[in-house]
Amino acid sequence: QSVLTQPPSVSGAPGQRVTISCTGSSSNIGAGFDVHWYQQLPGTAPKLLIHGNNNRPSGVPDRFSGSKSDTSASLAITGLQAEDEADYYCQSYDTSLSGSVFGGGTKLTVL
Amino acid sequence: QITLKESGPTLVKPTQTLTLTCSFSGFSLSTSGVGVGWIRQPPGKALEWLALIYWDDDKRYRPTLKSRLTITKDTSKNRVVLTMANMDPVDTATYYCAHRREGAGYYFDFWGQGTLVTVSS
Repeated sequence: QSVLTQPPSVSGAPGQRVTISCTGSSSNIGAGFDVHWYQQLPGTAPKLLIHGNNNRPSGVPDRFSGSKSDTSASLAITGLQAEDEADYYCQSYDTSLSGSVFGGGTKLTVL
Repeated sequence: QITLKESGPTLVKPTQTLTLTCSFSGFSLSTSGVGVGWIRQPPGKALEWLALIYWDDDKRYRPTLKSRLTITKDTSKNRVVLTMANMDPVDTATYYCAHRREGAGYYFDFWGQGTLVTVSS
């Protein structure tokens, strides 16, 4: 069981907007640590998608955005495209682990 | 341009010790603030952080695996080595190394391609 909780799956039609939640606790997100998001396409390594709650690395489309509030965070994807079909993971820092924690991952299906 | 690549055995027997090497370029582990982490992913499961080594040789381990893990660095060769003792079939996973970037907490901005390690007799 992961320290950060994500829904196992979400889906949406092309062009739609979907959100993926990431729920933590007072020892990680609620303690003020940033939330970061990764996209993992099938058979590939994770790729940084959002860092520092809502910052996109160079090359990441602005269709992807992040937000954080209290002990949770969200990833929003607008204008859904077939190529967005992947697994998405949130990540933060946890004081009880003195290390990094990941969510359980969310599989996005584009209908 | 930062790149990382993992190398090591693809198959280990139960109770053996796994040794993985992360070879990197595009940064130096002697630069203040820099770190390299190891993360694994069992087939079909989530990512799990294992260990992290900092430029000043400070080390952090996942508490539940701390007794089995050792992370070291060779700054001159741009390598980080992770050893995991007493391997078990549940340790079968793809092991990734990644470049750590500072933040409020930290994140991994560049990842290796990963190496699949199977534990079986």
